[in-house]
This record gives sequence, structure tokens and C-alpha cells, in this order.
Amino acid sequence: AQRVTQPEKLLSVFKGAPVELKCNYSYSGSPELFWYVQYSRQRLQLLLRHISRESIKGFTADLNKGETSFHLKKPFAQEEDSAMYYCALFSNTGKLIFGQGTTLQVKP
Amino acid sequence: DTEVTQTPKHLVMGMTNKKSLKCEQHMGHRAMYWYKQKAKKPPELMFVYSYEKLSINESVPSRFSPECPNSSLLNLHLHALQPEDSALYLCASSQEWANYEQYFGPGTRLTVT
Repeated sequence: AQRVTQPEKLLSVFKGAPVELKCNYSYSGSPELFWYVQYSRQRLQLLLRHISRESIKGFTADLNKGETSFHLKKPFAQEEDSAMYYCALFSNTGKLIFGQGTTLQVKP
Repeated sequence: DTEVTQTPKHLVMGMTNKKSLKCEQHMGHRAMYWYKQKAKKPPELMFVYSYEKLSINESVPSRFSPECPNSSLLNLHLHALQPEDSALYLCASSQEWANYEQYFGPGTRLTVT
């Protein structure tokens, strides 16, 4: 079965602390993985996708096929990073499968 | 224009009403999607249109009826909804129906009374 797991519902850190949002996937073959972010009262938007290897707003994510993970990292969290983060997998049936999401709360 | 727009922003309807949600994009995308999102949950795929043809229907009840009149426009016709259908309905589009970035609209907040 193709699945995305985000084990943490809520991650709370202080401003300036490192952040790691976990994402594990289940997929046979080469996965196409994405991180989407939903700020309060804003639309869902793409943060990054693994094939582009770009760093957006200081966030990076590395695909680890051995551990089937695609964790999202940022070295120094900012208050404006507080949002809901979804890891997503593009399945071989043409669907974008989302994880349950992790709420990131950055405290001042 | 690099945005997906959705109208209306909010909709309240009774269980006997008929209403429609509208989605528009002018990015030349050939795939369009409807998702349903409940509070603090991920979006759930409802329908996929590729080149104006329905490609995926995720066993959605027939009280939801999608329509793609042209490559820029996607509608969702609603009839005889139930209170549990209250949710945020998101439209998205992508260049093709493949692993391209999906651009999401702001959603229509639907309340069924």
C-alpha cells in the first residue's frame, strides 16, 4: 500500500531552535515526494519537492530511500514558520497522497 | 495569472438546495482537481480531470457532480447534501496529470444546514 506517515501531530519549538518535521512513506519504486504548507487562513502551497532540491524559506528535505523518509528541516525556526505542514506522495495511480499533517508552533 | 481562484468563498445551503462551486485557472494547466478538507485534516481527493475528461472519481456520492466545461474552468454541482458534507472544498490544477506541482485555490467553506 502507498502511504505517508507523519508521526507528530504537533511540534512546538522556540524561535531560533532547529526544526525537523518527520515524514515516512511506503512506496515501491522511485517516489515523487512533496512538502506542502498551509499558513493560517491561507491556501495550501508547495514548499518543496524532492527532485528540485531547492531550499525554500530556509527549509530543506532529503530523500532517504533506505529509511523511506523525507524529513523537513530548518536550522533556525522563525515565528512566521508556524503553520500546518503536509508531506505528500504522488502515487502510481495518479493521486497525491497526503500525510495527516504536523502543526508547527514556533514560540517567541 | 498564476493563481487558482474559487467562488464563492463561503456557502451556506440547506439539504434540499442546489448550488455550484466554481474554480478557474489561467495558467494553461490541463489537469484540475477537487478535494474535500475537514478541519485539521489533510485534503481528500474527490475528482481529477485531465484534458477536460474525468479521469478519477474517488467513489464520491452522486450528490456531488463535477463538470469541466473548458480547460480553464471546473465546477462542482451540489444537490441534496448532508450536514456531514460541510467542509472546505479545494480546487487545484497542475500542468499535466502527473507528478507536477499542484496549485491550490483558497477553497470554498461549505456549511450544510
